[in-house]
Amino acid sequence: DIVMTQSPDSLAVSLGERATINCRSSQTVLYSSNNKNYLAWYQQKPGQPPRLLIYWASTRESGVPDRFSGSGSGTDFTLTISSLQTEDVAVYYCQQFYSTPWTFGQGTKVEIK
Amino acid sequence: EVQLVESGGGLVQPGGSLRLSCAASGFTFSSFWMSWVRQAPGIGLEWVANIKEDGSEKHYLDSVKGRFPVSRDNAKNSVYLQMNSLRAEDTAVYYCARVVGGGLDVWGQGTTVIVSS
Repeated sequence: DIVMTQSPDSLAVSLGERATINCRSSQTVLYSSNNKNYLAWYQQKPGQPPRLLIYWASTRESGVPDRFSGSGSGTDFTLTISSLQTEDVAVYYCQQFYSTPWTFGQGTKVEIK
Repeated sequence: EVQLVESGGGLVQPGGSLRLSCAASGFTFSSFWMSWVRQAPGIGLEWVANIKEDGSEKHYLDSVKGRFPVSRDNAKNSVYLQMNSLRAEDTAVYYCARVVGGGLDVWGQGTTVIVSS
């Protein structure tokens, strides 16, 4: 199974500042046949289901604010919130769908400092 | 509006069974793989199962394989998770989600399963 490890487990960022979340997979999630990274990012607020933010590691889902961006390839990935807003307080998860069982990172809780 | 609505959760004793349902609307259900994902209290997300558009291919988390068969009825725009031989560690909110090429793009609100005597 591919193990997804996020860092940090939590972070507190001032409003308007940058938040950076890292995700590492235990093996590559890059398919060489199509050069796509099978890596997604989700946001989950309390009492709500997860929301897809980023897919293919760096493509923003429709309707997601452009302050959210994803980067990385192979085994190392980053989700960046360029200017943290109050509505961004949530837990963020990365997920690989390169191979089953699909696996998620443990989550990173983002709070306001 | 694209929507998924789960039902069928509840309180069940260890060793018991439940059948979860997920009703889809607002999109061509038969064109999408579907997934079940669960979240234990205060814990992260755990993928449980996938089923192909026509039901011909299914994948499972090892710990539920043989206990939680997934099925679908495209005529009813629904996907199901039959949960047998339930254990305390199966206690969670169960979500169904639509699979697209890049991830899980539509999620239901979830249904809660509690396994306890």
